[in-house]
Amino acid sequence: EVQVVESGGGLVQSGGSLRLSCTASGLSNYWMHWVRQVPGKGLVWVSRINRDGRTINYADSVKGRFTISRDNTKNTLYLEMNSLRAEDTAIYYCARDFNGNDDYWGQGTLVTVSS
Amino acid sequence: QSVLTQPPSASGAPGQTVTISCSGTSSNVGRDYVCWYRQLPGTAPQLLIFQTYKRPSGVPDRFSGSKSGTSASLAISGLRSEDEGDYYCVAWDDRLSGYVFGTGTRVTVL
Repeated sequence: EVQVVESGGGLVQSGGSLRLSCTASGLSNYWMHWVRQVPGKGLVWVSRINRDGRTINYADSVKGRFTISRDNTKNTLYLEMNSLRAEDTAIYYCARDFNGNDDYWGQGTLVTVSS
Repeated sequence: QSVLTQPPSASGAPGQTVTISCSGTSSNVGRDYVCWYRQLPGTAPQLLIFQTYKRPSGVPDRFSGSKSGTSASLAISGLRSEDEGDYYCVAWDDRLSGYVFGTGTRVTVL
């Protein structure tokens, strides 16, 4: 059974930092992505990283503040979030092989930034 | 932020066909694959269509994707109550160097 599990969410003050983690079955074989969603609102793509970590892209809204990385030896994906703002409050989903035949998402972890 | 435009809602009676549109530009829908997701309340999105036309294993052939120019569509035939949910299109945007989602469409089975 495929497993994708996010962790690390929580309450943080504006300007603070948080690191999200995601463990996924077969992680080393796939591009990995982060997608976020304000509860009750639409989906927003955040970032992606290729299999060896050398190709990375970010949404303009998080560029310069968020850093995606991976440790294939630990089957783990990370999202380091700095200079957090109230508008970063959302459920953060980790997605394996986003838009691919082996696409699979975790259940998400909630990040709340208080102002 | 949503760059792809979808109708906010769509509905149909059981057994009917519902079609959802996704309007983009030449930098996203017009030049790359489109994918479609369904999201049920309180759950993660599920991929229905990838590479514009293909279905992952386990997705019934009642779901079909198409594209013409800068617009894509998802058709759901033989509508069933379990098809209710929020549907999103998504595509890579060359100008933004990132993925862009549609605004989302809530499907209701009457």
